[in-house]
Amino acid sequence: EDQVTQSPEALRLQEGESSSLNCSYTVSGLRGLFWYRQDPGKGPEFLFTLYSAGEEKEKERLKATLTKKESFLHITAPKPEDSATYLCAVQAGAGNNRKLIWGLGTSLAVNP
Amino acid sequence: KAGVTQTPRYLIKTRGQQVTLSCSPISGHRSVSWYQQTPGQGLQFLFEYFSETQRNKGNFPGRFSGRQFSNSRSEMNVSTLELGDSALYLCASSLQYKGTEAFFGQGTRLTVV
Repeated sequence: EDQVTQSPEALRLQEGESSSLNCSYTVSGLRGLFWYRQDPGKGPEFLFTLYSAGEEKEKERLKATLTKKESFLHITAPKPEDSATYLCAVQAGAGNNRKLIWGLGTSLAVNP
Repeated sequence: KAGVTQTPRYLIKTRGQQVTLSCSPISGHRSVSWYQQTPGQGLQFLFEYFSETQRNKGNFPGRFSGRQFSNSRSEMNVSTLELGDSALYLCASSLQYKGTEAFFGQGTRLTVV
């Protein structure tokens, strides 16, 4: 069964304390992996798309990497404004069987 | 350029009523997807429309329906509301049907009492 699992469920960091969030997946026919950030009461905000193992993308303090089984979202020297829920989604299948499978997210809190 | 617009932002309905939610995608985007988000279940896919045709459908009962108009705007309807339908309903638009990143609206918070 296609599945996306994010860990940890919640993470609390001190400002400046770097860490990584994990998104592991078991799907048939990976078409892409997406990272989103969601603030409370708002819709998810697109961050990155990764398509193949070894690919990396960076944006400010965030860096996403992809292997054949998982993706990591590395947060370097986080600030309080990085506090949010980070969602991972995997696109699998083809044609009318194409689907987007979402993880439950990692809730990140960065303390000043 | 304007983002995805969802209306209304908040809605309170009574069990048994029906509700219609609206989504205007980013200009030029032809694909619209709908999701239900609840704290315990995360994002659950409802359906996806492209060029006025439903392309994919999630595992929701027939009380949940949708449509897309020629200008790509989309509506979803929920009939005979149940308490469990209380959730944040999110609309996402994409440029193409296949594989591009989706951009979300702010959502409609539906509360069923």
